[in-house]
Amino acid sequence: NAGVMQNPRHLVRRRGQEARLRCSPMKGHSHVYWYRQLPEEGLKFMVYLQKENIIDESGMPKERFSAEFPKEGPSILRIQQVVRGDSAAYFCASSSTWTSGTRTYTQYFGPGTRLTVL
Amino acid sequence: AQSVAQPEDQVKVAEGNPLTVKCTYSVSGNPYLFWYVQYPNRGLQFLLKYITGDNLVKGSYGFEAEFNKSQTSFHLKKPSALVSDSALYFCAVRDTGTGTASKLTFGTGTRLQVTL
Repeated sequence: NAGVMQNPRHLVRRRGQEARLRCSPMKGHSHVYWYRQLPEEGLKFMVYLQKENIIDESGMPKERFSAEFPKEGPSILRIQQVVRGDSAAYFCASSSTWTSGTRTYTQYFGPGTRLTVL
Repeated sequence: AQSVAQPEDQVKVAEGNPLTVKCTYSVSGNPYLFWYVQYPNRGLQFLLKYITGDNLVKGSYGFEAEFNKSQTSFHLKKPSALVSDSALYFCAVRDTGTGTASKLTFGTGTRLQVTL
């Protein structure tokens, strides 16, 4: 029973390049969340998606950042024209649509992608 | 908007002693509260949650947490700490959105150090 998968685990980009981070949710989960963790800080919510829909993007920077969760395939967090301040760990989480049971409301996290911008 | 406070950046305890990691919250409705643990260069692992019911919640690896509505607290506890418990602990509160899915707001984390 595979957990949340993220790749790549480490990504190095030069300033101005694009970064693409991928997330495959747990089997049976249709809700995906992206969080960012800056060094020595807690996690900050970025965006919440369901298949083909962005539900809440209140934590996404207004420029250069976008996210999608297509009907087929993983969720993608895309950062265009990266800057040094984008260096962080990006975590994806997923949750189910169950309305009862022990897993209700729980978000399960992937191992993260650590982005370094040179 | 909801918020979570973890007043201690670091907690040190000796192995075998009880440990407490503190968390207080602020929400407008019923609180849905979570504890996660993060080991170095790893993702977050779910420990336990409070949704409703008993105020004492039991979770993974011998951890438990006590929900106290009057004090708006959700402290994480373990009767006997292990060196392997040393990690970064995060308290989180779920946004009071609709349905079963909604974003989490995290505290800043508490680094637990268990010494021999």
